[in-house]
Amino acid sequence: EADIYQTPRYLVIGTGKKITLECSQTMGHDKMYWYQQDPGMELHLIHYSYGVNSTEKGDLSSESTVSRIRTEHFPLTLESARPSHTSQYLCASSSPGLAGGLQYNEQFFGPGTRLTVL
Amino acid sequence: KNQVEQSPQSLIILEGKNCTLQCNYTVSPFSNLRWYKQDTGRGPVSLTIMTFSENTKSNGRYTATLDADTKQSSLHITASQLSDSASYICVVFDRGSTLGRLYFGRGTQLTVWP
Repeated sequence: EADIYQTPRYLVIGTGKKITLECSQTMGHDKMYWYQQDPGMELHLIHYSYGVNSTEKGDLSSESTVSRIRTEHFPLTLESARPSHTSQYLCASSSPGLAGGLQYNEQFFGPGTRLTVL
Repeated sequence: KNQVEQSPQSLIILEGKNCTLQCNYTVSPFSNLRWYKQDTGRGPVSLTIMTFSENTKSNGRYTATLDADTKQSSLHITASQLSDSASYICVVFDRGSTLGRLYFGRGTQLTVWP
């Protein structure tokens, strides 16, 4: 069982509100990720981090921002939420590993935050 | 373009029956392929990871196969249980990326009926 936590699990807010989705992991992983997932669709990478003070945008354009001040903490912020931001947000962290002589990154996912913006 | 395609999109089976889910990918260079199980409202949980040198890997009632030549994988579930109802996601890891980029399929939604 991976030790990665997300809060809140569910959030319903009005348009224009500022929100922060929390993600914490206790595994000491350097790499962390934020994904967005709509029902029946694949996960899309929106942000990632190689380590403290490192953040990059992912494949899917997002109006959200992230920060990485501590290894274990990777919060995502929406300055002004809109209905188009309604989605599930999944946080993940990864550890290096070897399989068949090749390196891979085993990603562990949090339980997700289901965001609804009215 | 790197893609991961899964079929069927959804599947309903009776408890105790077997089923097989398919995954085709075009990701290159290929490093490994993973199958994840995602319960409704939860994050994905890894079932198996296979490199290009592995043809099959089992995890309890789950058996994954990989044909790196044809870029196809399957996940076979034996003696299904109600708790197997979930989305099963095929994920391919691109070793050409220092990030460790994962390409996700849309998943097969499996429903097991009593």
